[in-house]
Amino acid sequence: GENVEQHPSTLSVQEGDSAVIKCTYSDSASNYFPWYKQELGKGPQLIIDIRSNVGEKKDQRIAVTLNKTAKHFSLHITETQPEDSAVYFCAWFLFPNFGNEKLTFGTGTRLTIIP
Amino acid sequence: EPEVTQTPSHQVTQMGQEVILRCVPISNHLYFYWYRQILGQKVEFLVSFYNNEISEKSEIFDDQFSVERPDGSNFTLKIRSTKLEDSAMYFCASSYTTNEQFFGPGTRLTVL
Repeated sequence: GENVEQHPSTLSVQEGDSAVIKCTYSDSASNYFPWYKQELGKGPQLIIDIRSNVGEKKDQRIAVTLNKTAKHFSLHITETQPEDSAVYFCAWFLFPNFGNEKLTFGTGTRLTIIP
Repeated sequence: EPEVTQTPSHQVTQMGQEVILRCVPISNHLYFYWYRQILGQKVEFLVSFYNNEISEKSEIFDDQFSVERPDGSNFTLKIRSTKLEDSAMYFCASSYTTNEQFFGPGTRLTVL
């Protein structure tokens, strides 16, 4: 299957606190999991990704964790700032699988950072 | 930093008219994609294009849709006879390998 469930749909966090968004996927063959940030009126921007042979990846205030057994992966944003306010989409990708290079997106999480 | 560009930013058309959405992918990228996003919903895959041919298309990408790479830089999406339900943001994306897709700013298509 190609379903990606994403939770929560909306999240409000006090500035400086952490935010966690979780996605659950159904296809055990999935092997690439990017996270995209979409600001109002703009296209999705890749912020971090992880491959299935890695359990965690970190880039400054952003981290992604992958639990292959449970088929879920999470985005963690620490020390949140107002500019983190956006809609975040998880996605999955069957890689490499030539002829099937499509990203399937989650339903999105609207993150609001409260100053 | 190289980026994907799209024109126009907003296209308004009458139902039944043809529209062409244009994209300039990042210059050394080999894989090209179109996605669409209906207002307030998630991004949906339409089509992927590699080596001058379609490599996969979704059920949304019916006979009314076509893609073309007419020269070495442009990548276009054509909708032959637009319907009201085609109103959406259309995003072009490109990648060098089959991951790390970079998205353009989108074209908002409004069908009246």
